[in-house]
Amino acid sequence: QLQLQESGPGLVKPSETLSLTCTVSGGSISSSGHYWGWIRQPPGKGLEWIGSVHYTGSTYHNPSLKTRVTISADTSKNQFSLKLSSVTAADTAVFYCARLKNQYSYSAPFDYWGQGTLVTVSS
Amino acid sequence: DIQMTQSPSTLSASVGDRVTITCRASQSISDWLAWYQQKPGKAPNLLIYKASSLESGVPSRFSGSGSGTEFTLTISSLQPDDFATYYCQQYNSYSTFGQGTKVEIK
Repeated sequence: QLQLQESGPGLVKPSETLSLTCTVSGGSISSSGHYWGWIRQPPGKGLEWIGSVHYTGSTYHNPSLKTRVTISADTSKNQFSLKLSSVTAADTAVFYCARLKNQYSYSAPFDYWGQGTLVTVSS
Repeated sequence: DIQMTQSPSTLSASVGDRVTITCRASQSISDWLAWYQQKPGKAPNLLIYKASSLESGVPSRFSGSGSGTEFTLTISSLQPDDFATYYCQQYNSYSTFGQGTKVEIK
């Protein structure tokens, strides 16, 4: 059974860079052809897609966040990562990593999700 | 950007009720629409994809319909486990979620 697990600091200072990693187990990020994505959810609010990455390095980002987002994949560790720069309190959210359902498609539903990790931006 | 608008924002219903949630897209997305269920403190769970295809393991009381700009999620007979928040997602162009519909106990 495919499992995803987010990890990273739970507290980040304003103006700094938020860094999270998603470790995938029960399957390889490089053998299935799927894209892998990041989604966030501010406390008490809705879901926002951040971006998606293929193991080949192909990435797609939400235009509203594009200049601040870096997403990458590390096939040797079966992980993919998110960096969000110049954070403010508005970036406080639960961050989820997830797999896109359709192989080779960067626009697809998310069928496997991590449990989520809360990142608070505060000094 | 494609905007997704769900209605209602909150819905009060009883066990056994038939429940319908609507999702409207700001432009045509064909049938590239998914529905999710989210419970407090948990990740969303995929229910429906391609507007009307039931994800494996999801009870058949859930169904989806629509195409173009208007879509519905229907729960044919609401069960206690169904009280949750539901989100639609368009994936015609990148990905955008609706703001959510909370189904609460009447």
